[in-house]
Amino acid sequence: KAGVTQTPRYLIKTRGQQVTLSCSPISGHRSVSWYQQTPGQGLQFLFEYFSETQRNKGNFPGRFSGRQFSNSRSEMNVSTLELGDSALYLCASSPRTANYGYTFGSGTRLTVV
Amino acid sequence: AQTVTQSQPEMSVQEAETVTLSCTYDTSESDYYLFWYKQPPSRQMILVIRQEAYKQQNATENRFSVNFQKAAKSFSLKISDSQLGDAAMYFCAYRSTLMEYGNKLVFGAGTILRVKS
Repeated sequence: KAGVTQTPRYLIKTRGQQVTLSCSPISGHRSVSWYQQTPGQGLQFLFEYFSETQRNKGNFPGRFSGRQFSNSRSEMNVSTLELGDSALYLCASSPRTANYGYTFGSGTRLTVV
Repeated sequence: AQTVTQSQPEMSVQEAETVTLSCTYDTSESDYYLFWYKQPPSRQMILVIRQEAYKQQNATENRFSVNFQKAAKSFSLKISDSQLGDAAMYFCAYRSTLMEYGNKLVFGAGTILRVKS
């Protein structure tokens, strides 16, 4: 069974640009969540999608957005990149409820210069 | 809002010895889930063990076990017979069962575990 796949693994962008990250969940998993991991703030919840609908959103500015497609694949977009957006972005998938925990991808390391 | 606190930024253990990582949390809910995740240098978060709050029995997975004290809101992880492969960052996480929170996990700051040979 394939795991959670995140692409790309590494990304370097310039301030002011926008970026799109992709996540393919485990087959059959309909919930996809995104987390931002930084040394200073730790792991912070960005948003969760279930059946193409945003079910929950963390405390991030509107520059951070996401979507989910009918095949459960998800993308997150960050517009007008700032230096502080440099982070590891982790995607996690689960069945409808994550009572048994999530399965995480290996993340996308975004560096903003 | 729920919070998770890991008060040990870093811990060391000798190979084959036992180590305990601490985690406390704050919530007004009575039903919830707690998890320990391991993040090695490969970056992928791996689920180590989970605990359902309504179950009093402490969860165990091979060399990993927890000490769940619901009244004290404490959820520590014990690793027995430590191995070099256990070296990683360990995160404690909380999941509410309330619909409004969906599948959101609240994480602690993490504890770096070093294993000495």
